Amino acid sequence: AAGVIQSPRHLIKEKRETATLKCYPIPRHDTVYWYQQGPGQDPQFLISFYEKMQSDKGSIPDRFSAQQFSDYHSELNMSSLELGDSALYFCASSERQGGNIQYFGAGTRLSVL
Amino acid sequence: DAKTTQPNSMESNEEEPVHLPCNHSTISGTDYIHWYRQLPSQGPEYVIHGLTSNVNNRMASLAIAEDRKSSTLILHRATLRDAAVYYCILHFGNEKLTFGTGTRLTIIP
Repeated sequence: AAGVIQSPRHLIKEKRETATLKCYPIPRHDTVYWYQQGPGQDPQFLISFYEKMQSDKGSIPDRFSAQQFSDYHSELNMSSLELGDSALYFCASSERQGGNIQYFGAGTRLSVL
Repeated sequence: DAKTTQPNSMESNEEEPVHLPCNHSTISGTDYIHWYRQLPSQGPEYVIHGLTSNVNNRMASLAIAEDRKSSTLILHRATLRDAAVYYCILHFGNEKLTFGTGTRLTIIP
């Protein structure tokens, strides 16, 4: 079965650079979520989209923005990167009529040097 | 958000049953009890969920107390591949998942 695809898997950036993370949800899933997991921490919610509209927002820095496109894939854009942005970024997708179970991708490991 | 309380860590012998407890005394009537797990270096993975009745699937069983203030995830026969952090999460609709600290399960060969 198709799963959530995230790219790239690994990304190395320098401070003050920008990064774009991509997420391709499971086909027919209408909701996408982004989570951040710092070293030794639990996943924390950043932002979500339902039918291409932002549906909820968590502790996402103003330097970050995200959107969901017409093909339902989503991108998380991160600017003015800081050392503290180094983390695993997970994308999850769900189907509103499917019990709202969230299926997670393998994540993007971002390292800011 | 209604909170859950889980033990920080548990150990179990391989091929034995494991009972992972979760307390959620402030659960609301519409909250579902979800369990996810995160294996090392992987994204979280859905395990099971329920509302009031006990639930079974190919991965585990979920036993829910009659007053819904606690629940127990049951792995019937733990294997080394079940070593993970298990999260008990109260969830409604298509809301975000709020991860607590979870229970780190260690399986002893």
